[in-house]
Amino acid sequence: AQSVAQPEDQVNVAEGNPLTVKCTYSVSGNPYLFWYVQYPNRGLQFLLKYITGDNLVKGSYGFEAEFNKSQTSFHLKKPSALVSDSALYFCAVRGSARQLTFGSGTQLTVLP
Amino acid sequence: EAQVTQNPRYLITVTGKKLTVTCSQNMNHEYMSWYRQDPGLGLRQIYYSMNVEVTDKGDVPEGYKVSRKEKRNFPLILESPSPNQTSLYFCASSFSPSDEQFFGPGTRLTVL
Repeated sequence: AQSVAQPEDQVNVAEGNPLTVKCTYSVSGNPYLFWYVQYPNRGLQFLLKYITGDNLVKGSYGFEAEFNKSQTSFHLKKPSALVSDSALYFCAVRGSARQLTFGSGTQLTVLP
Repeated sequence: EAQVTQNPRYLITVTGKKLTVTCSQNMNHEYMSWYRQDPGLGLRQIYYSMNVEVTDKGDVPEGYKVSRKEKRNFPLILESPSPNQTSLYFCASSFSPSDEQFFGPGTRLTVL
């Protein structure tokens, strides 16, 4: 069975500082990895995905994620956080199955 | 406008009273999914569909049914709702499970 772990329920960072939201996964076969963001009282929005190729993936709103096969990780990063980045972030994975599995989510708070 | 619509957006019902939540997409997507979102558990896939008349169980299918008679529609049916199905439900669609998913606005269901 495939799984996703987001080890931090909450991440706090000061505006202007770099941010990292962690994600590790377990799947059969090659992983397809995704990050989604959920703003308060809104649906989920796609940020970025990794299928193959460069380990550093760039996405929307200045976010990027680094795929690390040996550590089975796909951490989300941004060089300089904005207060407007405060939201709930979900990592998701698909392996050889057609199912998508999401993590439990990480609440990011950017402090002014 | 490309979108996924869900109805109703809010629903309060009683135990055992059958209900249907509709989902429709206008992007000609083949892959559609239903998720439930619960605090601390993230999003969990209930059912997914690869195409018309092709549906499969996700991680938490018990107590739910789906159908895919038309490509654009993917209703979620609770034949005998119970209080543990109180949750926030999202429908999503994409061209394939490897592609960006587009999410509906969510349906907040309360079963008394």
